[in-house]
Amino acid sequence: DVVMTQSPLSLPVTLGQPASISCRSSQSLAHADGITYLNWFHQRPGRSPRRLIYQVSNRDSGVPDRFSGSGSGTDFTLRISRVEAEDVGIYYCMQGSHWPPWTFGQGTKVEIK
Amino acid sequence: DVQLVESGGGLVQPGGSLRLSCVASGFTFNAYWMHWVRQTPGKGLVWISHINSDGSDTSYADSVKGRFTISRDNAKNTVYLQMNSLRAGDTGVYYCTTDDPGLGIDSWGQGTLVTVSS
Repeated sequence: DVVMTQSPLSLPVTLGQPASISCRSSQSLAHADGITYLNWFHQRPGRSPRRLIYQVSNRDSGVPDRFSGSGSGTDFTLRISRVEAEDVGIYYCMQGSHWPPWTFGQGTKVEIK
Repeated sequence: DVQLVESGGGLVQPGGSLRLSCVASGFTFNAYWMHWVRQTPGKGLVWISHINSDGSDTSYADSVKGRFTISRDNAKNTVYLQMNSLRAGDTGVYYCTTDDPGLGIDSWGQGTLVTVSS
């Protein structure tokens, strides 16, 4: 199974400042079809997860452009250019390149300082 | 808009059974794979099971293999999770999710809470 490791697990941020979350996989997520199936999800307190990014760097519809994803192979990053209050919650990376099982990172809790 | 509504959760004794349902709307259900994902405070998000668009292919996490069965009824836009021989470790909120083949897990329902306890 592919193990997904996120860091940090807790991220206090200042409003208006940038934030960055790392996600590393135990093996390359490059699929034989040439696509890397690495998604990012955001879960606000008391809510269901919502996908932000698919295939490493593609923003879902309605996702603000302050969110960006990058990376390749085993090393991926989610960046928020300027943190807003609504960005608090837990962020998860997830791989769908080598399944089953689909696997998630442990989650990174973002809170405002 | 995509809507997924789960039901069927509740309190059950160890060794008991539950059947979860997820009714879908707002998209072409029979074109999508579907998944069940469990969330627990201690272990975050854990993938449980998937079913392909016509129900001919399924897969399960090792922890539930042989105890859980996923199925779907495309005429009713519904996916099910039959859970047997339940254990305390199966406790959590169960979400159904869509999976647009090629784009991966996407939309999530509101979840249904399963508590396994005596």
